Amino acid sequence: DAGITQSPRHKVTETGTPVTLRCHQTENHRYMYWYRQDPGHGLRLIHYSYGVKDTDKGEVSDGYSVSRSKTEDFLLTLESATSSQTSVYFCAISRTRDGDQPQHFGDGTRLSIL
Amino acid sequence: KNQVEQSPQSLIILEGKNCTLQCNYTVSPFSNLRWYKQDTGRGPVSLTIMTFSENTKSNGRYTATLDADTKQSSLHITASQLSDSASYICVVTPRTGGGNKLTFGTGTQLKVEL
Repeated sequence: DAGITQSPRHKVTETGTPVTLRCHQTENHRYMYWYRQDPGHGLRLIHYSYGVKDTDKGEVSDGYSVSRSKTEDFLLTLESATSSQTSVYFCAISRTRDGDQPQHFGDGTRLSIL
Repeated sequence: KNQVEQSPQSLIILEGKNCTLQCNYTVSPFSNLRWYKQDTGRGPVSLTIMTFSENTKSNGRYTATLDADTKQSSLHITASQLSDSASYICVVTPRTGGGNKLTFGTGTQLKVEL
């Protein structure tokens, strides 16, 4: 398995609170991605990073921010959590930018916002 | 909008039987098509990849086929095992754009029973 660790694995929080999810990789891959997975939807890209301090928005970025200060860590922050952000969040890494190499996924964070 | 549709949504089969999962896509032109396996509570793992010029690719008991003319792919599982119980996700990479432009299907949930 690719060395990807997501933390926490489960979290329950209240509406309006800030939440930060962490993705840590030991593969030294340059490219990192945050997705959310919801019933009835395919995985949807929230934000991605092409290197340290190089990030960009994905398809469903509203309400989320990211930071990447080190190659191995990619943080996803919900500034003020809402119930619509209840989801399973996956981090992925890849060696190349072009999609020809597979993205390797972490095991996800299940986030419930009450 | 690029779409990937999978059928059936769910499937139950007996151990030892074969099954075929379908994927229809509208992404065009595309670079490659992957099938991922996602066990419950885990992240997706890449099973096969096919470029637009390939017709078939095997990985053990898993065989993927691709018809680029009709924009259809299938994943055939031979002699199913209990461990094949999982969600199978079809993912298409467009020729333009890269890892931030993947289109994911919603998956087929397969259950293998004794």
